[in-house]
Amino acid sequence: TQLLEQSPQFLSIQEGENLTVYCNSSSVFSSLQWYRQEPGEGPVLLVTVVTGGEVKKLKRLTFQFGDARKDSSLHITAAQPGDTGLYLCAGQVEYNFNKFYFGSGTKLNVKP
Amino acid sequence: DSGVTQTPKHLITATGQRVTLRCSPRSGDLSVYWYQQSLDQGLQFLIQYYNGEERAKGNILERFSAQQFPDLHSELNLSSLELGDSALYFCASSVGLSPLHFGNGTRLTVT
Repeated sequence: TQLLEQSPQFLSIQEGENLTVYCNSSSVFSSLQWYRQEPGEGPVLLVTVVTGGEVKKLKRLTFQFGDARKDSSLHITAAQPGDTGLYLCAGQVEYNFNKFYFGSGTKLNVKP
Repeated sequence: DSGVTQTPKHLITATGQRVTLRCSPRSGDLSVYWYQQSLDQGLQFLIQYYNGEERAKGNILERFSAQQFPDLHSELNLSSLELGDSALYFCASSVGLSPLHFGNGTRLTVT
C-alpha cells in the first residue's frame, strides 16, 4: 500500500480538454511536490505546496493543497500535446522531512 | 537544467556483470537519493545518503550498494546483474526542507 494514492493512472484526452489529477493520503504532509517526467528523462519539479488550502498557478496548470494537507490536485486547462508525460506527486511527512513518498504516477497523453 | 549530473547516460552489459553509476548532486545539496524506474512504472526508492552517511534504505537488493564520497558525489554499484535489473536509475539531491531535484538518469540494459 502506497502512502500517496494517485489517480487516474492513465488519461488520454484531446487537445483543448481540461483534466484533473488527484493525489490522496490518510497522512498529513508538511509539503507536497508535483513533477512531470518525459520519456527517458528525469522528473522535473513543477511546484511545491506547503500550506493547507494553498493554490498555485503555473500558466495553464493549477495546483491545490488540501486544507488538511492530506491531498492535492493538479488541474490542467486546455491541455496541449506538450503536456503529455508522466505526472508524479511526492510528499514529505512532518516527522521525517528527509523521506519522500511518491505516488505511482498519472500517464497523460494529449492527442492533437 | 536541474544541476544534478548522472553518468553514463546509457549502459549496456551482460548478465552476471557489475556496473557503477555515478551522480554529482546540485551544488550545496548534502542528500543524495537513488531511485529505480522500470518500464512504465513509478519510482522505486533504493537508498539515501546524507553528507557521506547512509540515511535510509528502501527496496534495495543485496547485490546493489552505494556510497557517498567526501566531495558529496555518489556511486551506485550493481553486481551479478540480471535481466530484471534493466531499468532507468535516477539520482536526486536535496538539502534541508527543499524538494528533490533529479538527474536525467542512467538507462541500464542487461542482455
